[in-house]
Amino acid sequence: DAGVIQSPRHEVTEMGQEVTLRCKPISGHDYLFWYRQTMMRGLELLIYFNNNVPIDDSGMPEDRFSAKMPNASFSTLKIQPSEPRDSAVYFCASSFITGGDQHFGDGTRLSIL
Amino acid sequence: EDQVTQSPEALRLQEGESSSLNCSYTVSGLRGLFWYRQDPGKGPEFLFTLYSAGEEKEKERLKATLTKKESFLHITAPKPEDSATYLCAVGNPETSGSRLTFGEGTQLTVNP
Repeated sequence: DAGVIQSPRHEVTEMGQEVTLRCKPISGHDYLFWYRQTMMRGLELLIYFNNNVPIDDSGMPEDRFSAKMPNASFSTLKIQPSEPRDSAVYFCASSFITGGDQHFGDGTRLSIL
Repeated sequence: EDQVTQSPEALRLQEGESSSLNCSYTVSGLRGLFWYRQDPGKGPEFLFTLYSAGEEKEKERLKATLTKKESFLHITAPKPEDSATYLCAVGNPETSGSRLTFGEGTQLTVNP
């Protein structure tokens, strides 16, 4: 069965541009998570949704970041305007129940020049 | 604040040389301790969940154990394909809902 699908796999853009990352969770999973991974800070949770509703966005670094989940099969993470310090690998994960194991996509490697 | 510390940061083994990875944690309430494997260019892949002290789980050459303060991932007779970064994470229902707090990981290299 299909896992978590993220797009694009790689994104290179210039500072100040808007960046949109996309995620399709595993069908039937109620929870969706957005993470950022860097060498300096490891894997950090940015925001998570339950049944399409944002539950905890305390990890979102600042107002330049926003996330939406318009339906159970799609979520976006948007950065506007982007900055070089946003360069990282962004992962989306989903899980079936609270406390359950999370299934990760293969990430989007974002480079802001 | 939940804290997870993994050691060592990196570990090199010869094929067949058994060893253990450590995950120390501090949480006010443990919902579960999770082990993941991450290959380069990939997302973390779920391995185990442990819920209470004394619990053990096994999968092929890997065995995870849990105490009240730490978890160990034992690797028996490793093979080169076991090379990866191993991450542990904790969930705390008292403070963080479904949030997981991850450690920095142990990068394991198994030489043939």
